[in-house]
Amino acid sequence: AQRVTQPEKLLSVFKGAPVELKCNYSYSGSPELFWYVQYSRQRLQLLLRHISRESIKGFTADLNKGETSFHLKKPFAQEEDSAMYYCALIRGTGNQFYFGTGTSLTVIP
Amino acid sequence: ETGVTQSPTHLIKTRGQQVTLRCSSQSGHNTVSWYQQALGQGPQFIFQYYREEENGRGNFPPRFSGLQFPNYSSELNVNALELDDSALYLCASSLGGKTEAFFGQGTRLTVV
Repeated sequence: AQRVTQPEKLLSVFKGAPVELKCNYSYSGSPELFWYVQYSRQRLQLLLRHISRESIKGFTADLNKGETSFHLKKPFAQEEDSAMYYCALIRGTGNQFYFGTGTSLTVIP
Repeated sequence: ETGVTQSPTHLIKTRGQQVTLRCSSQSGHNTVSWYQQALGQGPQFIFQYYREEENGRGNFPPRFSGLQFPNYSSELNVNALELDDSALYLCASSLGGKTEAFFGQGTRLTVV
């Protein structure tokens, strides 16, 4: 069975500090991994996906198949990064997402 | 291009009742997925419809059922409501395959 684990429910960092949101997954096949973000009073939206290998809003995430991790990183946190972050995977064909429980990030001014 | 819209935004029902939630997919999208998000949890996959056919189902009982219409809008029906069905229900549309899913703002269902 597939599973996505985000060990931190809450994470606080100071503005300008590096931030890392952890995500581990278990899946026997070749999953696709995503990060979704939900800003206050807004809908869930895609932040980035591992196959595109792009950097969005300064965030990057590298898929580490050996450690089955897909941690989200940003070198310098900004106040506008405060939001709820969800790691998710899709398996096989189709785009049926399996989400982690989310990490609430607060960037302290 | 219009986004995903869900109705109603809030709903209160009594245990044992039935409820229908609605979703209009983003223009051009032929795939709709439904998710249940309980408080403090991530969204849980309920089922997906592709071109009016169910295309995958999560671990939810049969009293959760759905429908997709020719215009690709969708309904989620829940029969015999239980208190634990209280949650935010999210609809997401996409163009099928492994493409980005666009989420609606959700319907907050409270069962009393």
